[in-house]
Amino acid sequence: AQKVTQAQTEISVVEKEDVTLDCVYETRDTTYYLFWYKQPPSGELVFLIRRNSFDEQNEISGRYSWNFQKSTSSFNFTITASQVVDSAVYFCALSEAGTSGSRLTFGEGTQLTVNP
Amino acid sequence: AAGVIQSPRHLIKEKRETATLKCYPIPRHDTVYWYQQGPGQDPQFLISFYEKMQSDKGSIPDRFSAQQFSDYHSELNMSSLELGDSALYFCASSSGTGAQPQHFGDGTRLSIL
Repeated sequence: AQKVTQAQTEISVVEKEDVTLDCVYETRDTTYYLFWYKQPPSGELVFLIRRNSFDEQNEISGRYSWNFQKSTSSFNFTITASQVVDSAVYFCALSEAGTSGSRLTFGEGTQLTVNP
Repeated sequence: AAGVIQSPRHLIKEKRETATLKCYPIPRHDTVYWYQQGPGQDPQFLISFYEKMQSDKGSIPDRFSAQQFSDYHSELNMSSLELGDSALYFCASSSGTGAQPQHFGDGTRLSIL
């Protein structure tokens, strides 16, 4: 069975600080996909990034970066120079590969609050 | 770009009533998913359809049923509603396999009185 753990329930930072959200996963599959989603106070779920199990290259997109380490089953998310608009719940999620309609298994989410 | 459309956005029902939630996927997406998110919880997978056939089933109560139609839109039918069914219901769509990201609609907030 798949499992995703986000140990940080809540994080509070001051604007311009860097912050890292942790994600640890469990799966028996050798091929799988990892995702991060953002859920702002308005409630929608916004897709941020997908990473497959064969690609451990880190990725950077603007102020966002992701560190995937298969050896520790972790897929951490860093926001550099945080802004108030980054305040949201962030979910890490996992899905099996190659199967149409495969479910996402979400972590419990991390509530990030960025204070001015 | 067109997104996933869910209707209604809000729905208020009483116990034992029925409800139907609708989902219109992104054009050319062939897979639809339904998730339930309780207050302060992560989204929980209910059911998915690929090319109008059920492809995966999660913790969906027997009181709920769903289907995907020929135009790829999907409906989630909920009967004998209970207080515990109050939640945000998301529909998502994707093209093909689990490799592709699921794009979510804005959700339907269901309140049971």
